[in-house]
Amino acid sequence: GAVVSQHPSWVICKSGTSVKIECRSLDFQATTMFWYRQFPKQSLMLMATSNEGSKATYEQGVEKDKFLINHASLTLSTLTVTSAHPEDSSFYICSARGEGSADTQYFGPGTRLTVL
Amino acid sequence: EDKVVQSPLSLVVHEGDTVTLNCSYEVTNFRSLLWYKQEKKAPTFLFMLTSSGIEKKSGRLSSILDKKELFSILNITATQTGDSAVYLCAGGTYKYIFGTGTRLKVLA
Repeated sequence: GAVVSQHPSWVICKSGTSVKIECRSLDFQATTMFWYRQFPKQSLMLMATSNEGSKATYEQGVEKDKFLINHASLTLSTLTVTSAHPEDSSFYICSARGEGSADTQYFGPGTRLTVL
Repeated sequence: EDKVVQSPLSLVVHEGDTVTLNCSYEVTNFRSLLWYKQEKKAPTFLFMLTSSGIEKKSGRLSSILDKKELFSILNITATQTGDSAVYLCAGGTYKYIFGTGTRLKVLA
């Protein structure tokens, strides 16, 4: 149980374009989803917390107009990187937390974004 | 500022060895400590520790939390090459602060 998927796994785009990443909880309802980014050989950095039906809460230093998060249903959250630039290239990982799962977060497989 | 520090940064052992990974934390809103194993992609969940002094075990892996001294350890006995990975710990309540991980390599 507690499977989280992400789509796409890997994306390459041109500078200035927007990219949407989906995060889905497959076998449970995720009241809260978290978006992280990870640079090579570094740890996970929390970008934002997304609750179903409400606005996301962004961590300090994360531009909310650049990283748009939508959590329209209990099984889907999306992260859109708008006007992507090469410095946005990174590994983006989502995690989901369901009702009654205490503090455990289950991670998706990640999306590697490369901006040319 | 909240922080989670893991040690050692990197470790190389031979199959059959026992390893202990350390995680110390200074997190303002702390309720639980999580351990994850990360291979090539996203982390996979190992343990969640909430109570001090109670060991959690899963096969050859075990972990314990000390809320007085603010640290946790992850033990792996009889290591196998498949244990090679980065091990992450994270502390928090609703949101988690992650350490930079310990990179473990197990040689055959």
